[in-house]
Amino acid sequence: EVQLVQSGAEVKKPGESLKISCKGSGYSFTSYWIGWVRQMPGKGLEWMGIIYPGDSDTRYSPSFQGQVTISADKSISTTYLQWSSLKASDTALYYCARQGSNPALYAFEVWGQGTRVTVSS
Amino acid sequence: EIVLTQSPGTLSLSPGERATLSCRASQSISSSYLAWYQQKPGQAPRLLIYGASSRATGIPDRFSGSGSGTDFTLTISRLEPEDFAVYYCQQYGSSLFTFGPGTKVDIK
Repeated sequence: EVQLVQSGAEVKKPGESLKISCKGSGYSFTSYWIGWVRQMPGKGLEWMGIIYPGDSDTRYSPSFQGQVTISADKSISTTYLQWSSLKASDTALYYCARQGSNPALYAFEVWGQGTRVTVSS
Repeated sequence: EIVLTQSPGTLSLSPGERATLSCRASQSISSSYLAWYQQKPGQAPRLLIYGASSRATGIPDRFSGSGSGTDFTLTISRLEPEDFAVYYCQQYGSSLFTFGPGTKVDIK
C-alpha cells in the first residue's frame, strides 16, 4: 500500500526551531515529487513547496520562500519541513502529498495524515 | 503566479440535487494541469479529478470535470450525503502549484 506517514503533533514557543517529517512507503520514493501544504485553522489549502527526493531538487512558493526549508533523506524515504524560528502565525495543519502516477503527474494523489503545529507562548 | 478563484463560496443544496462548482484562473492554463480535491472535516484532501476531466482511481462517476483555458467546472450529478464537503481546484504552472480558496457544499 502506498502511504505517507507524518510525524506527530508539535507544540512550540515563538522563536523555536522545528523539523517535521513525512515518510513514504509502498512505492519508489526517489521517483515522485512530494509537496508540502499548509492549512491554517478554518482556512483553505496553501501550497508551500515541493521536492524531488531523487536529486533533492526543490521549488518553493514565493509566499514561503525563505520562511521554511524542505529537504529529503532518500536513505530513509523521508522528507522534512523545517523552520528556524517559529512564529505564532505558523500555527497550522501541515500535509505532505505525493505527485500522482502518470497521467496524474500534476496532481497530488497520495496525502499524509497531517501534522498539527501549534506555536504559542 | 497564477491565481485561482472559486465560486460560489458556499453552495447549499439537498441530497439528489446537481452541484456545479466553478474554478477560474487568472491566466490560461493547460487542462493537463488542473485538478480537483474534496476535503471533509478532520480528513486530508482526496484527489477527485486530474487533467481537468479524468477521474482519479475509485472516484464515482457522479463526479465529472470539464473546462479549458481559464474556466473549469466540477459537477456532481446527484449529491449523496457523503458529498457534502469542501472542494478545491489546483493548478500547476511554471514549476509552481496553487490552490483555489475552496467551495463549501453544505446541506440545505
